[in-house]
Amino acid sequence: DTGVSQDPRHKITKRGQNVTFRCDPISEHNRLYWYRQTLGQGPEFLTYFQNEAQLEKSRLLSDRFSAERPKGSFSTLEIQRTEQGDSAMYLCASSLVGLRHNNEQFFGPGTRLTVL
Amino acid sequence: EDQVTQSPEALRLQEGESSSLNCSYTVSGLRGLFWYRQDPGKGPEFLFTLYSAGEEKEKERLKATLTKKESFLHITAPKPEDSATYLCAVQLTGFQKLVFGTGTRLLVSP
Repeated sequence: DTGVSQDPRHKITKRGQNVTFRCDPISEHNRLYWYRQTLGQGPEFLTYFQNEAQLEKSRLLSDRFSAERPKGSFSTLEIQRTEQGDSAMYLCASSLVGLRHNNEQFFGPGTRLTVL
Repeated sequence: EDQVTQSPEALRLQEGESSSLNCSYTVSGLRGLFWYRQDPGKGPEFLFTLYSAGEEKEKERLKATLTKKESFLHITAPKPEDSATYLCAVQLTGFQKLVFGTGTRLLVSP
C-alpha cells in the first residue's frame, strides 16, 4: 500500500501523560499536514511541513503540542500533559507541490486518541 | 471571517433517488475547493478539486460544480455504498491549509 500511514491507530492514555503519533506520507510527497477532528466536525488544521521546515501553525497548536519532520520524510506529533479535551482523531495528510493542480491533500487513516 | 457551510447536515435517500449536497463559502480569496468522502472511523478520501467558477468534474455517480459562492455535489442514482459523510473544504490564496465544513451525512437505503 502506497498511501499515507499512521501509527498507532488507537491510543488510550490517562490525563497528564505524554503521547506521540507517527505519520509516514506518500513516497516523494514533500508536504505533510496534521489535522484534528472531533465527532461531528470537519478536520481542523494544526500545522504543515514542506520537507523538514515547519511553515504554518494554527493557534490550536498550544505549547503542549509539538511536531517534527526531521529528515523530510516521516513526521511525529507529540502531545505533552494530555487533557481530556485532547481526545480526538488526529489526521495526517500529504501532498506534492510543484504544479498548480497538485494541491490535493491525501489523508491517512488517523490516530484515535482517548484521554481518560 | 473565512467560513464554509454545508447543507443539509444529514440526508436520507432511497437507492436511485438523485440529489445534491451544497457547500457555500465566504472567503477572502479562493485558491481551490475540495470534496472528500469520509467513512466512519476512517480518514477523508479525496474526490475532487475545483479551481474556478463554472468548472465541473465527474467520477462515477458523483459530479461536482463550482460557482463564485458555492459548490454542489450531485449524486445520480445513488447506491447504498455511497453512504458516507461528504466533506467540503476550501484552500485560501496564499495558504496551504484546508478549511473544512462540518459535512453532510448521507444515508442511501436499498
